[in-house]
Amino acid sequence: DAKTTQPPSMDCAEGRAANLPCNHSTISGNEYVYWYRQIHSQGPQYIIHGLKNNETNEMASLIITEDRKSSTLILPHATLRDTAVYYCIVRPQFGNEKLTFGTGTRLTIIP
Amino acid sequence: DGGITQSPKYLFRKEGQNVTLSCEQNLNHDAMYWYRQDPGQGLRLIYYSQIVNDFQKGDIAEGYSVSREKKESFPLTVTSAQKNPTAFYLCASQDSLMNTEAFFGQGTRLTVV
Repeated sequence: DAKTTQPPSMDCAEGRAANLPCNHSTISGNEYVYWYRQIHSQGPQYIIHGLKNNETNEMASLIITEDRKSSTLILPHATLRDTAVYYCIVRPQFGNEKLTFGTGTRLTIIP
Repeated sequence: DGGITQSPKYLFRKEGQNVTLSCEQNLNHDAMYWYRQDPGQGLRLIYYSQIVNDFQKGDIAEGYSVSREKKESFPLTVTSAQKNPTAFYLCASQDSLMNTEAFFGQGTRLTVV
C-alpha cells in the first residue's frame, strides 16, 4: 500500500523556487517525512526529513502541514543540476521498518 | 572515506547463468537493502537485512537470493529463475536504529542477453 502520493512530473524555471508536494494522509504519529532524490542513473541521495516542524538545510526546506497529512519540499533557487526524480517517504525514525520507495516526482528544470 | 560500494558498474551475462552483484559498506550499518529499477520506474525492494545472518524478502524476491555473513557485505545473486533480470540494481545501507539517512551505492546495470 502506498503511504504517499506525489505528482508524476513537474517543471520549474531555472532560478525559481521548486515546490514539490506530497500527500501522506495516513501518516502515523511516530512517522517522519523523508525526501530523497535520484539523478539519472545514480543512486538516490538523502535530502531532508522532519516530523512536524519545518526543517531547512543547505539543500532544501521541508514544510509540513499542521495536520501532517501533506508536505512540500522547496528548492529555493533551482538549477539545472536539480533535475531529478524526487521521492517522498514516511517512516518511523527508530525501528526496523523496511525502506520502500514510491514512484516519485520527475522534476525538470527549464533553462 | 566511508561509503557503500557496488561492483561492477556494468555487467553482461548470458541467459540461464546465475550472476552475483557485490555490495560492500564500511559505515558500520546494520541494515542493508537491494532494489531493482527498470527504465522510467521507481525502486522496488528485492531483499533487505537488518542484522548479520538474517534477511527478509521484499516485494519482488522471486528469482533472487542473498546472504549476510558479514556486516559489511550483502551480495545479491540473480538466478536463472528470474524471468526478466535486465535492470539497474541498487544497494543501500542504513543505521537500523536511527533511520536518519540511507546511503546508496552507484548501482550495477545488468544486461542479460
